[in-house]
Amino acid sequence: ETGVTQSPTHLIKTRGQQVTLRCSSQSGHNTVSWYQQALGQGPQFIFQYYREEENGRGNFPPRFSGLQFPNYSSELNVNALELDDSALYLCASSWGTVEEEQYFGPGTRLTVT
Amino acid sequence: KNQVEQSPQSLIILEGKNCTLQCNYTVSPFSNLRWYKQDTGRGPVSLTIMTFSENTKSNGRYTATLDADTKQSSLHITASQLSDSASYICVVGGNNRKLIWGLGTSLAVNP
Repeated sequence: ETGVTQSPTHLIKTRGQQVTLRCSSQSGHNTVSWYQQALGQGPQFIFQYYREEENGRGNFPPRFSGLQFPNYSSELNVNALELDDSALYLCASSWGTVEEEQYFGPGTRLTVT
Repeated sequence: KNQVEQSPQSLIILEGKNCTLQCNYTVSPFSNLRWYKQDTGRGPVSLTIMTFSENTKSNGRYTATLDADTKQSSLHITASQLSDSASYICVVGGNNRKLIWGLGTSLAVNP
């Protein structure tokens, strides 16, 4: 186990709804990155938070937003859910930059119907 | 364009056999190359990380090689076990701090 936890493990939402996913980073880590992984695809980078500030963003629309708290845990919020948002959402924590070794959580499986 | 290509797309081997997975990349500038193992529906687990100056790195039965000149890497699995069944993903880091992910090789180890 990596020490990175995510909640919930599974979630079913309806198109148009909003969802919040949570991630607790490994002790001592100050950076959290979020990824979306569709079935059979590699993870796609959504954004990264470093010391509570967004520190890079992938090609995702503004309805994907996030927060990082003083304890370095993080939330991913998705508004106006679409069917294509159905995926495994992965959180990875690290100390420092993206190039440092990341430790991934088990993921949250989101299904949008 | 920065790309990471892996081959084969899928592989089936018998328990106890060895196998080698390939990764070719065009990422530039290059910072590091990682191999991850991902079980279905779970988060990726890091196997190895190599920088430009490293040619080989081992982690138990997993051995990764890197040829930075030809921009190729391989992951060799020795004496495969049923628990090795997973997707193996090659990820390349560039100096712009972005990670470029391959699509992975799906490995099935059969008894």
